Amino acid sequence: AQSVTQPDIHITVSEGASLELRCNYSYGATPYLFWYVQSPGQGLQLLLKYFSGDTLVQGIKGFEAEFKRSQSSFNLRKPSVHWSDAAEYFCAVGASGGSYIPTFGRGTSLIVHP
Amino acid sequence: DAGVIQSPRHEVTEMGQEVTLRCKPISGHDYLFWYRQTMMRGLELLIYFNNNVPIDDSGMPEDRFSAKMPNASFSTLKIQPSEPRDSAVYFCASSFRLNEQFFGPGTRLTVL
Repeated sequence: AQSVTQPDIHITVSEGASLELRCNYSYGATPYLFWYVQSPGQGLQLLLKYFSGDTLVQGIKGFEAEFKRSQSSFNLRKPSVHWSDAAEYFCAVGASGGSYIPTFGRGTSLIVHP
Repeated sequence: DAGVIQSPRHEVTEMGQEVTLRCKPISGHDYLFWYRQTMMRGLELLIYFNNNVPIDDSGMPEDRFSAKMPNASFSTLKIQPSEPRDSAVYFCASSFRLNEQFFGPGTRLTVL
């Protein structure tokens, strides 16, 4: 069975600084990988996904993530954080071919200082 | 499409009462998921359906919880009787095959 770990419960950055949120997964084959964002009081929204092909994936709101098979990682990055990026971020891993339901990490809470 | 629709958005009830949460998935999606989110336990998968059939309900915490999907456009999650520890935000999500899930806005349940 697949699993996903988000090692950081909270991350604090200053507005304008760069951001990297970590995600490590465990799965025996090529995974499907997702990043979701949850703003306060709202449901989860897909930021980006990786199924195959180019390992650097671009998403909405200026986010990108890189799939590194050798490190079993799918870290989320943004070059310059805006105050509106303050939210909860979830990484999820599913099985290639969509044969298993995605498993979500515990989430990382992003705090943005002005 | 309007996205996944959940109702009510907020529910306040007293312990022992029956609570019914409703979900309308995105048209054409064949998977439907019910999640519960709390500060202590994070996001928990309760049950999911494929083509209206329950596939895995191992996340349902107790027999007080039940879920149905009578057709492709409607699902309910029922708690009977409700208890204060059931207070949480309940999300419904749908997907086509097992690709990305689309989440509803959630129902915030408070059991007094």
